[in-house]
Order: sequence, then C-alpha cells, then structure tokens
Amino acid sequence: DQQVKQNSPSLSVQEGRISILNCDYTNSMFDYFLWYKKYPAEGPTFLISISSIKDKNEDGRFTVFLNKSAKHLSLHIVPSQPGDSAVYFCAAGGTSYGKLTFGQGTILTVHP
Amino acid sequence: GAGVSQSPRYKVTKRGQDVALRCDPISGHVSLYWYRQALGQGPEFLTYFNYEAQQDKSGLPNDRFSAERPEGSISTLTIQRTEQRDSAMYRCASSLRESSYEQYFGPGTRLTVT
Repeated sequence: DQQVKQNSPSLSVQEGRISILNCDYTNSMFDYFLWYKKYPAEGPTFLISISSIKDKNEDGRFTVFLNKSAKHLSLHIVPSQPGDSAVYFCAAGGTSYGKLTFGQGTILTVHP
Repeated sequence: GAGVSQSPRYKVTKRGQDVALRCDPISGHVSLYWYRQALGQGPEFLTYFNYEAQQDKSGLPNDRFSAERPEGSISTLTIQRTEQRDSAMYRCASSLRESSYEQYFGPGTRLTVT
C-alpha cells in the first residue's frame, strides 16, 4: 500500500526552464511534507518542507505547493540548473512522530 | 561540520550470519532514525530514538532486527541470521529536535546477503 506516490519515474528539462515534480498521497493523517534531493552515492539531502496549514513555501529557486483537497503536492524549480540533476523524493509525516513515509523518487535531468 | 556517518559503507555477508551496522549522528542531534531502502524505492522507516530511548520500532520487519543507542549518540542496527531478502541500503538519519520530520541522512550501508 503506497501511501506516497511519485508517478513520474523521470523528468527531463532544459536548463533555465521550470522543473515541476509531483507527489500524491492517500493518508489524510499526513500534515507535514518534505522534499529531499539525492545525488549518486550520497544520502538524501533535505531541500524544503511545508506544513499542512500552508499552501505554499518558497526558498530561493525552490517552491513547494500543497493542495490538501487533492492530496497533492508539487516542487517547482525555477530556473533549473544542470546541478539540480538528481533523484527527488517526496516524504510525508503525521501518522506518528518522527516517522517519514517516502515516495519512490523521480529522476530529474537538466540538460545544458 | 561533520554529517551523519555510517559504517561499514558496504557489507557482504553469508546467509545465516549476524551483522551490525553503525551510525554516528551529527553532533548535538538528539534523535536518530533508521530506514531501509530497496533499489528504485524511497527509504522505508524502521525505528527511531530520542536520546537513548527507542520511541517507535513499528517498522522493524521481524524479531531478527534490533537497534540500540545506549548512550544517546552512536546507534547500532543488528540483523541476526541474515536472509537474502535483507539485502538493501540501510540509511541512518538524525535530527536536532526530538521526533522531528526534518531529518539529515547519512550515506548508507549497502548490505548484500549471499
């Protein structure tokens, strides 16, 4: 039972354009959401988060949008840079303290 | 400052052997989390500690898996009588605050059971 889903295994974007990564969840208990970025041979790195009391959070080139009614969140990267090429994981918390539930990941490739 | 470190980075063991995986959290981080990640999937929660107290072990697959953090710093995840299905990347994370969702991950230990 996959409670957090990233339905796009991969995404390819031209440098300078917008990257949009999507994530859907099924458990209405989730109330905190995070995006992690992972480079090869490294652990996931925390990128940005959003609480369910907000619908948008912005940090530099990265913005996360949350649509609670649709149980959907997205990560926008503008402008995309080749160094953004990595695997991006969506994660959710709220069912029990400390426990994160992750999606399967989306491989983002930004072409120069 | 130093991030989360894990050792060994790679471990190959024969079926039936016990293994111990070590995690050294970021200095000052009070909580420590263990996850397991299969190829092509996201990390899957196993257990976590606030200081030395194990708070939630609901993700441990069976009683062959155990974890400890006796002094509230370094943690060991032990798998007894390993099976091939235990092969995975085992990831450790730590957080500055108790039971936080903002977790900082180590590079992982790749376990292969032959």
